[in-house]
Amino acid sequence: QKEVEQNSGPLSVPEGAIASLNCTYSDRGSQSFFWYRQYSGKSPELIMFIYSNGDKEDGRFTAQLNKASQYVSLLIRDSQPSDSATYLCAVNIRGTYKYIFGTGTRLKVLA
Amino acid sequence: EAGVAQSPRYKIIEKRQSVAFWCNPISGHATLYWYQQILGQGPKLLIQFQNNGVVDDSQLPKDRFSAERLKGVDSTLKIQPAKLEDSAVYLCASSPPGAGYYGYTFGSGTRLTVV
Repeated sequence: QKEVEQNSGPLSVPEGAIASLNCTYSDRGSQSFFWYRQYSGKSPELIMFIYSNGDKEDGRFTAQLNKASQYVSLLIRDSQPSDSATYLCAVNIRGTYKYIFGTGTRLKVLA
Repeated sequence: EAGVAQSPRYKIIEKRQSVAFWCNPISGHATLYWYQQILGQGPKLLIQFQNNGVVDDSQLPKDRFSAERLKGVDSTLKIQPAKLEDSAVYLCASSPPGAGYYGYTFGSGTRLTVV
């Protein structure tokens, strides 16, 4: 059973701090890794994808991938109250466009 | 670019009734996905279409769920008969040909409540 594991939270950080969200996955053959943001009552929104080991930066967001450790993380710098949401980690199943999602980590940014 | 369109936004039905959801993907997106998201869980893939052919329906409960994508554009997902455990948000997503490794765009979803 292929799995994606996330801490459900809530993770609370003060405004302006760095939020660190973590995810582990079981399928060593996964090629693409995604972070989706989901506000309450809304659908998931893609914010980052990464497929090479290392870091990928996009504005205040940095995705980090370590395939050897089967670990993906998302850093949010200068966290804002508007970043308060559930962050879903997803990975593709080897050779397919099928994604396995984690249950999400709820982030609260305190003003 | 218009996003993925879904309707209805909400639906409340009694158990054993039938229901249908509609999805219109982003123009030119050959691949269409239906996901089910139960409250407190991540989305789970039900079925994937490439044009009007099924690529993966391994997690679709075929005794009660069916889906079609006529002419390779719009898609409908049907549940008949519905059970209480089908209460969830049904999300449609699409991606361009060969671009599924780079993430896909979800529609706003249909929230189904079965009572």
